[in-house]
Amino acid sequence: EVQLVQSGAEVKQPGESLKISCKGSGDTFTDYWIGWVRQMPGKGLEWMGLIYPRDSDTRYSPSFEGQVIISVDKSISTAYLQWRRVKASDTSIYYCARQVGNSWTEVHFDSWGQGTLVTVSS
Amino acid sequence: QSVLTQPPSVSTAPGQKVTISCSGSGSNIGSNYVSWYQQLPGTAPKLLIYDNNKRPSGIPDRFSGSKSGTSATLGITGLQTGDEADYYCATWDSSLRGGVFGGGTKLSVL
Repeated sequence: EVQLVQSGAEVKQPGESLKISCKGSGDTFTDYWIGWVRQMPGKGLEWMGLIYPRDSDTRYSPSFEGQVIISVDKSISTAYLQWRRVKASDTSIYYCARQVGNSWTEVHFDSWGQGTLVTVSS
Repeated sequence: QSVLTQPPSVSTAPGQKVTISCSGSGSNIGSNYVSWYQQLPGTAPKLLIYDNNKRPSGIPDRFSGSKSGTSATLGITGLQTGDEADYYCATWDSSLRGGVFGGGTKLSVL
């Protein structure tokens, strides 16, 4: 079993850059895709994208491509979600989760981080 | 608005049974596996069902999943107040080329 521990809450002003993290421990971090999921205040879950730590292969939802950057540093078992310039509409909780389906085209997240609250406000 | 449609809310009494539906199309539920997640208030989602009807270890058999055509259903029996949560279905959408979640269903156990 893997444990995913995310970085702490962030408060940013519009236009600032931001990078949040998701550190894995336990099972081999590089063997499974890591996904990111957004939850806007009081709303449902949205699939943002996936990264495969072994080779950094990355897939984005069309809704988020160009808006965020997903990356990984496999040497420290950590995945990242990054914004070049945040907007007020980026205010959300962001979860990382391990994807264990037989294919990356299967939504099957068996372990989740605790979530990172991002607040963007002037 | 999600491509997977769930009822916004369902409610029932303790000890009873409930089903939560998730309706999609041929490009998502109709051709891909469905998973279900439980999100208790203020916590991260938790996997309940994967591959349409399989339960991870530790998930009681009170929870079940099924799929028929372009719809999936989560069933919960012997409802407890601790089951009050938001429930989400999820699958891959081959047309959108991304994962999709349903809008979520709030379960109340009154």
